[in-house]
Amino acid sequence: RKEVEQDPGPFNVPEGATVAFNCTYSNSASQSFFWYRQDCRKEPKLLMSVYSSGNEDGRFTAQLNRASQYISLLIRDSKLSDSATYLCVVSGEGAQKLVFGQGTRLTINP
Amino acid sequence: DAGITQSPRYKITETGRQVTLMCHQTWSHSYMFWYRQDLGHGLRLIYYSAAADITDKGEVPDGYVVSRSKTENFPLTLESATRSQTSVYFCASSAGNSGGYTFGSGTRLTVV
Repeated sequence: RKEVEQDPGPFNVPEGATVAFNCTYSNSASQSFFWYRQDCRKEPKLLMSVYSSGNEDGRFTAQLNRASQYISLLIRDSKLSDSATYLCVVSGEGAQKLVFGQGTRLTINP
Repeated sequence: DAGITQSPRYKITETGRQVTLMCHQTWSHSYMFWYRQDLGHGLRLIYYSAAADITDKGEVPDGYVVSRSKTENFPLTLESATRSQTSVYFCASSAGNSGGYTFGSGTRLTVV
């Protein structure tokens, strides 16, 4: 079983729609959680950290369910510029080692 | 310029040659990491370093060597390149405050 599992997609949604991704992780001792965004042929960039109480950053909402070991990302009012691959990231052995999911590919259509 | 830079951006090398990928960061971050990214595998950790002169293996270290004589540099060497090492290599750094990583722009390596 992979440490971090995501649905690879692709998700194709119309502009303005709401889209949600989930990921599950296997290490119950993980303490840090993130969503990264990666554009085609570019490096991953931190989108947002994920906190136990849930957190929001503009149109993006992240939630963490420790009991079920899953993390979600909700994007509201999606824009064409949201098209990218979204990586679910969880701390591994040692808080500084991060484990990356394979990513969920999202395409927003006009 | 401040940040994390990788060089070269693109490299083609022959099987059996030694090649070194460079990574330099200007933030004095303690932690540095090397990942490779391949279709179907996502990002896989090759080596990481918690401080100068401290390095440790990641998930896929075979065929790679690292060093960290200075905090700001973390070169990755392929001792004898193989075709299976054709990949995109990303270097990353972290301050160690559980705040996530910042990645360099990557090196696309092709071994022919």
